Order: sequence, then C-alpha cells, then structure tokens
Amino acid sequence: AQSVTQPDARVTVSEGASLQLRCKYSYSGTPYLFWYVQYPRQGLQLLLKYYSGDPVVQGVNGFEAEFIKSNSSFHLRKASVHWSDSAVYFCAVSAHSNNRIFFGDGTQLVVKP
Amino acid sequence: GGIITQTPKFLIGQEGQKLTLKCQQNFNHDTMYWYRQDSGKGLRLIYYSITENDLQKGDLSEGYDASREKKSSFSLTVTSAQKNEMAVFLCASSIEREDTLYFGAGTRLSVL
Repeated sequence: AQSVTQPDARVTVSEGASLQLRCKYSYSGTPYLFWYVQYPRQGLQLLLKYYSGDPVVQGVNGFEAEFIKSNSSFHLRKASVHWSDSAVYFCAVSAHSNNRIFFGDGTQLVVKP
Repeated sequence: GGIITQTPKFLIGQEGQKLTLKCQQNFNHDTMYWYRQDSGKGLRLIYYSITENDLQKGDLSEGYDASREKKSSFSLTVTSAQKNEMAVFLCASSIEREDTLYFGAGTRLSVL
C-alpha cells in the first residue's frame, strides 16, 4: 500500500527567502504525485502534479517539485516566498493499481514579513 | 469553471444524533469523494463513488453512510455523532479516480 510522509509539521521562513517542503512516499511502482495547498477555511487546491516524463514539474505561483525515484521523494520548492504563501501544504500519492489517493499530514507554512 | 458546494458550512450536533452532509458539483465529474480532516492531520477517505448509485468504502467508513442518487450530488451521513467530535469533512470530485481532485470548502462538525 502507498503512504506519504511529510516530516515537517510547521515551517517558518522570512518573506523573500527560498523554500523547500519535504515529501517522501512509499510505493513500489511509479506513482502519480501531487502537491495541494489549503488556505484557511477553504478546501484544497492543486499546486502541481507529476505523472511521467520530466521529473521537475512546474506549478502555479512559482512553485515547482522534483520527483527523485531513487530517494522516493517529491519535495516542493519555491525560489522566493511571499506572505500570501502562508497556508497548509499537502503531498499526495496515488497508484495505478488500486486507484486510491493517499495524503500526508500536511506542512503548515508560515511566512514572516 | 465548475464548483463544489458543500452544505451546511457549519454543523452542530448532539451526541447520538444522525447528521447529514451534502455535496453538489457542476463539473460533470464521474467520481466523488468524502474525506475527513482532523486538526493537524491529513485527509482520510471515508467513502467514494465512481458513478451514480455506486458506493465504495474508504479507510474510515465505519460510523458513516453515503448516498449517490445523482451524478452531481453525494451525501454523507454520520450515523451516530460522537461526543466532543470535531472535524472538517471535505467533498471532492475528479474525472477519473487518480486524476486531479477538486475540493469543496468543507463542513465543520462539532458535537456537544
């Protein structure tokens, strides 16, 4: 079965700094990978997804993520964060075999002015 | 673009009460989901449905029933609310079961 680990429950960065949110997954095959963002009092919105091909995928608002199969990782990155990026970020994985989507526990990002 | 509407936004119930949450989508998506989100935790799948009148149990289905009488709507029933229970229930839809999920804003449940 698949699983997702986001080791950092909370990350605090200063506005303008670079960002990396970590995600590791467990799945024996090649997964579909997603990053979602949740703003306060809202549902989740897709930031980016990886199905196949170029392991670096670009998303909305300057976010990108890199699929590293050898490390079972799909870390999210942004070169320069803005205060409006403060939110909870979820990594998710789905498998081809059982069509289920599993979410990590989320990382709360706090951007300090 | 489409939208997913969840009603009510807030739901306060009594212990033992049966409570129903509703979800409507106008994406014309086949698959719909109900997830439970507890504070500081990820999303846990309660039920999903791949088409009208189909129901599939998720990891957390005990204590819940679901109904998909129309393609556009998916309801969830808490069969007996647990005292001090607090959670957010999120409805989502997708074209295929492993494609992008589109979420509603959630229903926040509190049980007194």
